Amino acid sequence: QKEVEQNSGPLSVPEGAIASLNCTYSDRVSQSFFWYRQYSGKSPELIMSIYSNGDKEDGRFTAQLNKASQYVSLLIRDSQPSDSATYLCAVRRETSGSRLTFGEGTQLTVNP
Amino acid sequence: DTGVSQDPRHKITKRGQNVTFRCDPISEHNRLYWYRQTLGQGPEFLTYFQNEAQLEKSRLLSDRFSAERPKGSFSTLEIQRTEQGDSAMYLCASSRGQSNEQYFGPGTRLTVT
Repeated sequence: QKEVEQNSGPLSVPEGAIASLNCTYSDRVSQSFFWYRQYSGKSPELIMSIYSNGDKEDGRFTAQLNKASQYVSLLIRDSQPSDSATYLCAVRRETSGSRLTFGEGTQLTVNP
Repeated sequence: DTGVSQDPRHKITKRGQNVTFRCDPISEHNRLYWYRQTLGQGPEFLTYFQNEAQLEKSRLLSDRFSAERPKGSFSTLEIQRTEQGDSAMYLCASSRGQSNEQYFGPGTRLTVT
C-alpha cells in the first residue's frame, strides 16, 4: 500500500464547476497535510496546508481533513482554465522528521 | 522575500561525469530540503538540513550523492559518476523555524546521456 494515494486522473471539469481532489494516507501518525499545484514543466507551488480535522478555506480553495478516515481533500470552487495543473497531496508524519511524502498527483483540466 | 533559487536550471551530462547543483533558500529559512522528481511521480525526499546540520538522509541517497550546507545558507548537491537513472528534476525547498510549510525552487532538470 502506498503511503499517500490520490484519486486517479485525469480529472476534467467545465469552467465554473467545483473540482474535487482526494487523497488518502496510510500512517495514522501523520500530522500535517499540504496541497501543492504543479504546472507542466514547473516546480510545485504550495496552495494549502491543514493540520486539524475539519475544513480550511482560502479564497476558492477549501481543504478538508478527516484523520479518523485518513482522508484529505481539496475543493476548488468556480474552477478556471488557469487551475488546470497537477495537484499534489503531501503528508508529514510525526515519526519521519520534516520530510514530506507526496502522492503521484492528480491532473486537473478545466475546460472553457 | 525572494523565492528559493536553484542553479543551473538545466544540466545535460554524459554518463560517468560528476555534476553539482546549488540551492539558495529563502532568506532566514533555516531548513533546506532536497527532493527528486521523475515524470508522472510526486517529489521524493532525498535529504534535509537544519542550519548547517544534515539531519535526515533518504535511502534513495546512494554513496554517489552528497549534499552540503557549509554555512547554513546555500546548499550544494553533488552526484558522482552519473547514471542514466539519475535523470530527473532535482528540487530544493526551504522552510522557516517550526513551520512545516516548504517552498520549492524552480528545480534543476538533469539529463544523463
